[in-house]
Amino acid sequence: DAKTTQPPSMDCAEGRAANLPCNHSTISGNEYVYWYRQIHSQGPQYIIHGLKNNETNEMASLIITEDRKSSTLILPHATLRDTAVYYCIVRVAGDPSAGKSTFGDGTTLTVKP
Amino acid sequence: NAGVTQTPKFRILKIGQSMTLQCAQDMNHNYMYWYRQDPGMGLKLIYYSVGAGITDKGEVPNGYNVSRSTTEDFPLRLELAAPSQTSVYFCASSYGAGLNSYEQYFGPGTRLTVT
Repeated sequence: DAKTTQPPSMDCAEGRAANLPCNHSTISGNEYVYWYRQIHSQGPQYIIHGLKNNETNEMASLIITEDRKSSTLILPHATLRDTAVYYCIVRVAGDPSAGKSTFGDGTTLTVKP
Repeated sequence: NAGVTQTPKFRILKIGQSMTLQCAQDMNHNYMYWYRQDPGMGLKLIYYSVGAGITDKGEVPNGYNVSRSTTEDFPLRLELAAPSQTSVYFCASSYGAGLNSYEQYFGPGTRLTVT
């Protein structure tokens, strides 16, 4: 699995959009980009994933660059409850061993009043 | 659905003791995983299973054993506990191979201290 690089921490004002970047310059053509978050000490929570097209769901939007070497997770209107560690992971869908990929250190997002 | 459940929530072990961390899921998922998370760090994969009777090592398997006799259960065994195994342990599951299969569902974690 390709490795990812994320900034260790970011701040965002409540109500504003939070844009979390992820670099995955060695991603291969069959690898998807997944985003999870971990609030305080809870188990990680799935947010969104994509291959090459931009994706949106009720939680967030995922923007993947045309060359697929980086992506941005967008929380459109951040709230205090979005304060968490956000993990960007790349995995091959359909590969039974894809779960071997390790969650990195992620980005700690702090939403401030 | 209860999702992924883990027991116990907390445990303190003495060096050299053994214990089993329990994990169960009621979503009929094929894949199950065990991760550990040390303070301030990301999650590291210990073992995973793609179905009953099939397990494989992850990144940090030493000191642990697993079994998968049923689809629902995936216990993690610690033999001869060491202080280095002090961590939070998360169990997760996902449906299986395919486009949307790697959406993983995580349990609440077991906080283990070895002293």
